[in-house]
Amino acid sequence: RKEVEQDPGPFNVPEGATVAFNCTYSNSASQSFFWYRQDCRKEPKLLMSVYSSGNEDGRFTAQLNRASQYISLLIRDSKLSDSATYLCVVNTNGGATNKLIFGTGTLLAVQP
Amino acid sequence: DTGVSQNPRHKITKRGQNVTFRCDPISEHNRLYWYRQTLGQGPEFLTYFQNEAQLEKSRLLSDRFSAERPKGSFSTLEIQRTEQGDSAMYLCASSRRRQANTEAFFGQGTRLTVV
Repeated sequence: RKEVEQDPGPFNVPEGATVAFNCTYSNSASQSFFWYRQDCRKEPKLLMSVYSSGNEDGRFTAQLNRASQYISLLIRDSKLSDSATYLCVVNTNGGATNKLIFGTGTLLAVQP
Repeated sequence: DTGVSQNPRHKITKRGQNVTFRCDPISEHNRLYWYRQTLGQGPEFLTYFQNEAQLEKSRLLSDRFSAERPKGSFSTLEIQRTEQGDSAMYLCASSRRRQANTEAFFGQGTRLTVV
């Protein structure tokens, strides 16, 4: 089983739609969680951190369920510029170990 | 530019040759990571440094791969006797140690093609 699992998509949605991505992780000791965005042939960039209480940044809402080891990202009012791959990332830090584990990414294509 | 810098951006090499990539992290960042990414996959963890100490290596990293960070600043990743399966994007990232949040900033990567 992969440490971080995501639906690879693609998700094809019209502009203005609401879309949700899900992610599960296997290491219950994971402490930090993130969503990264990666445009085609570019490096990943942080979209937002994910906090236990859930957090929102404009049209983006991230949620964490530690009991179910589940992370989600909701994008409201999709824009063409949201088209990208969204990577779920888990930090398994503890002791000397500190590494970011990435999911395979979910491809989003927003259609005009 | 104060971001993470990787060189070269592209490398084409013949199978069996050795290659070395360089990463210059953001200057105040003490953590440095190497990842490998192939088409349609997320970045795969290869290795991690805190200052000059290499604290973890992935089992994916065969003995043909070695990474160094001699002075706790820039890092190099060397692949010996390259194979076609080594063709990938090699990404470097750095972060600053904080208590809870370890956001990592990525360089633009080195794209390796082994022919």
